[in-house]
Amino acid sequence: DIQMTQSPSSLSAFVGDRVTITCRASQGISNNLAWYQQKPGKVPKLLIYAASTLQSGVPSRFSGSGSGTDFTLTISSLQPEDVATYYCQKYNSALFTFGPGTKVDIK
Amino acid sequence: QVQLVESGGGVVQPGRSLRLSCGASGFSFSSYGMHWVRQAPGKGLEWVAVISHDESMEDYADSVKGRFTISRDNSKNTLYLQMDSLRAEDTAVYYCAKKLPGSYYEPPDYWGQGTLVTVSS
Repeated sequence: DIQMTQSPSSLSAFVGDRVTITCRASQGISNNLAWYQQKPGKVPKLLIYAASTLQSGVPSRFSGSGSGTDFTLTISSLQPEDVATYYCQKYNSALFTFGPGTKVDIK
Repeated sequence: QVQLVESGGGVVQPGRSLRLSCGASGFSFSSYGMHWVRQAPGKGLEWVAVISHDESMEDYADSVKGRFTISRDNSKNTLYLQMDSLRAEDTAVYYCAKKLPGSYYEPPDYWGQGTLVTVSS
């Protein structure tokens, strides 16, 4: 089975900073990767699918890139409302595995 | 707008069964595949199961295969998760989620609020 890893597991940054989260698949998954944001006590929200396609309504400061095994989620200018845990998920096959998550907060 | 409302959670003893339901509205339920995803207290997301729009295909995480069954009733706009032989490690909030349009292999886009299942004696 393909395993998903994320780094870092947590990070703290200033408002306005550029933040990058990495997701790695143990085998190639083409661009079949989604990113989710889960704010504390809330339901997960789809941010990006197909590695780089922004879901409707998601602020443009979020972007995704990558293909194959290595992917990144970038927040171009961190805002207080971006405090959340971010998960990647692969969907190239019938095992829709999530990464372990990256917790983002404000310094 | 898309609405997904889970029900059926509660406290159940190990080895017993529980059936979760998810009522859907605001979209053409019979046209979309659906997922179940769970989240143990304080832990990350774990994908559980997926079903195609017409029930012709379904798949499960290894951790629940043979114990859980996903199904749907398109006439009632309802998704189900039958959970048998429950274990303590099945304790989690269970979310139903609509799939993105496209192929069978699409991720969730809209999620319900979740229902808590606690397996404890």
